[in-house]
Amino acid sequence: QSVLTQPPSVSGAPGQRVTISCTGSYSNIGANYDVHWYQQLPGAAPKLLIYVDDNRPSGVPDRFSASKSGTSASLAITGLQPEDEADYYCQSYDTSLSASVFGGGTKLTVL
Amino acid sequence: EVQLVESGGGLVKPGGSLRLSCAASGFTFSNFPMTWVRQAPGKGLEWLTVISDGGIDTYYADSVKGRFTISRDNSKNTLFLQMDSLKAEDTAVYYCAKRSTVTVGYMDVWGKGTTVTVSS
Repeated sequence: QSVLTQPPSVSGAPGQRVTISCTGSYSNIGANYDVHWYQQLPGAAPKLLIYVDDNRPSGVPDRFSASKSGTSASLAITGLQPEDEADYYCQSYDTSLSASVFGGGTKLTVL
Repeated sequence: EVQLVESGGGLVKPGGSLRLSCAASGFTFSNFPMTWVRQAPGKGLEWLTVISDGGIDTYYADSVKGRFTISRDNSKNTLFLQMDSLKAEDTAVYYCAKRSTVTVGYMDVWGKGTTVTVSS
C-alpha cells in the first residue's frame, strides 16, 4: 500500500484530455511538500516529467501540466498522443516516514 | 551528455551480498545528492536511500535500513550501494538517480538500471 494513492489505470482517445490524481495526507502533500511527476515508457527508466508542483524540464511538451491542492495533486495531459502511453508516478516527501515516497503508479492507455 | 550507468547487478543467494556501482558523467558529480530507487518485477517505484553531495548525510527507507549502505567517491564520480543480508523481496531493477536536494528533491537524471535477482 503506497503512501501516495494513484488510480491503477486511466485511458483516453488520441486528442483527448486525461488527468491522473495523487492523493496523500497531512504528512506529505498536505504539509506542502513539493510534488514531482515521472513518466516511465515501456521497458525504459523513469524520466522526470514535472518538478516542484508544476514545472516542466526542458523538452517536456506543454501538453503536460500539474497542480496541487490540499492533500492531493494531479497531472493533466491534453491532446493525448499514442507516445504518451506509459506509467506515471507522483513523488513527494513524507515527514512521518522521513523519506521520499512514490505513488503506486498509473498506467495510461491511449485507445 | 549527462549520464548515469549502473553496474554490479546479478544473481545472488538469500543472505548474500552485492555491491552496485553508478558511474556519473556530464555534470559536476560532487555538487549533487544522489539516490537509489528500485522497481520489483511488475511493481512500482520504491525509493531506497539518498546521500548528500559531500557524502556526510545519508537516509534510508525502513525496508533497507541496517542492510543497505549508500556511499560515494567524488574523486571517481561514482555512487555505490552495498547490499547485505539480501532477501527474495529485494529482487528488482535498481536505478541510481541525480537528486536536486537531499530530502524533498526531485530526481532529474536516471540511469538505465541494473537487475538484482535474489534466489537460491
